Amino acid sequence: AQKITQTQPGMFVQEKEAVTLDCTYDTSDPSYGLFWYKQPSSGEMIFLIYQGSYDQQNATEGRYSLNFQKARKSANLVISASQLGDSAMYFCAMREPGGTSYGKLTFGQGTILTVHP
Amino acid sequence: DGGITQSPKYLFRKEGQNVTLSCEQNLNHDAMYWYRQDPGQGLRLIYYSQIVNDFQKGDIAEGYSVSREKKESFPLTVTSAQKNPTAFYLCASTQTGMHQPQHFGDGTRLSIL
Repeated sequence: AQKITQTQPGMFVQEKEAVTLDCTYDTSDPSYGLFWYKQPSSGEMIFLIYQGSYDQQNATEGRYSLNFQKARKSANLVISASQLGDSAMYFCAMREPGGTSYGKLTFGQGTILTVHP
Repeated sequence: DGGITQSPKYLFRKEGQNVTLSCEQNLNHDAMYWYRQDPGQGLRLIYYSQIVNDFQKGDIAEGYSVSREKKESFPLTVTSAQKNPTAFYLCASTQTGMHQPQHFGDGTRLSIL
């Protein structure tokens, strides 16, 4: 069963505007972690931001913030003041604890973000 | 600088041939992972290892094999049994801890000749 869903195959945003990339997840475990990664066309995976299931506040890292709505099981990435260099594929991923799966991530299908000048 | 090194960057495989992708890390991480990425798709887990001399199958292990003889190294062999090996392969490592992100290498692009 798919555990991470990114429903936006592609998104467009004007430079300097904000954009929200959607991510919903499914888990029955009360303890989990959510990650966002950026993948430029060169292929490397860049870690952006983390949100733990017990964190009381939404995570922020510079221009990145996470809109975490636990009851809705959503963890949307918000990028403020978009830059041309933000054009990339963005992946949401979830980590669940327990046994030999500790540390394993499940990735969504990704969203391609294009920033227009 | 600490990081993960994958080699080669590009690899070509002939029919019936086994090829091995290298992954080395100097981050002192216990856990290491191999993912496959097809064009426009997400990452799928092939194999992972939590400690030396131990590894587990991921979601798409058929046609692949790994070894973990040293903490720093986690090579992936794409065997001739893998009928559709053309993909982008990413190696990752992490410290234990729910909040710890996985760190990735730059990847290897494998193609069939």
